[in-house]
Amino acid sequence: SAVISQKPSRDICQRGTSLTIQCQVDSQVTMMFWYRQQPGQSLTLIATANQGSEATYESGFVIDKFPISRPNLTFSTLTVSNMSPEDSSIYLCSVAVGQGEGGYTFGSGTRLTVV
Amino acid sequence: SQKIEQNSEALNIQEGKTATLTCNYTNYSPAYLQWYRQDPGRGPVFLLLIRENEKEKRKERLKVTFDTTLKQSLFHITASQPADSATYLCALDQRGKIIFGKGTRLHILP
Repeated sequence: SAVISQKPSRDICQRGTSLTIQCQVDSQVTMMFWYRQQPGQSLTLIATANQGSEATYESGFVIDKFPISRPNLTFSTLTVSNMSPEDSSIYLCSVAVGQGEGGYTFGSGTRLTVV
Repeated sequence: SQKIEQNSEALNIQEGKTATLTCNYTNYSPAYLQWYRQDPGRGPVFLLLIRENEKEKRKERLKVTFDTTLKQSLFHITASQPADSATYLCALDQRGKIIFGKGTRLHILP
């Protein structure tokens, strides 16, 4: 299965600033997924990133707040913009193994605290 | 509305016993269902996938059942060990996306 390197692993940021999270996969993948996991909650899908096209955002998430880049088949970034304390969460990227039937591999997550 | 519900937020099981976790869903028609393990501070780790036409799947001490009539999956860990303590998440595919339940925190007591 794929191996994902995600960074930073954690950060403490001032409100109003932006943070960019990076995910590097050790193999080429068509789709990458970005999730948020708020304290005590499950994973919520933010968007799906395809190489060469704009990301597809889920209801409640917008590109201005969470811009995503997908410059090639092994790399993606998620930016959390104009942060507020409500953005404090764990952010994770993920890729499907095969067509998803081998499960999904996740990065180790970025723990973001906004103060 | 669509829901994925996992039984009780936390489950305490004596070491050596079988732990059974439940995942119920409404208003989904998943082609397959997945189970993941998540340890504190880590991303989820894939454990098992079961397809809609499969009733049961096993992997070592793990067993998953899938009843599309009841809209339920059961996840069993036999001969449980303290190292099995973690949060277990069920997840459904929904048109190419994976939707997660909130998870069940399992504590295996020595």
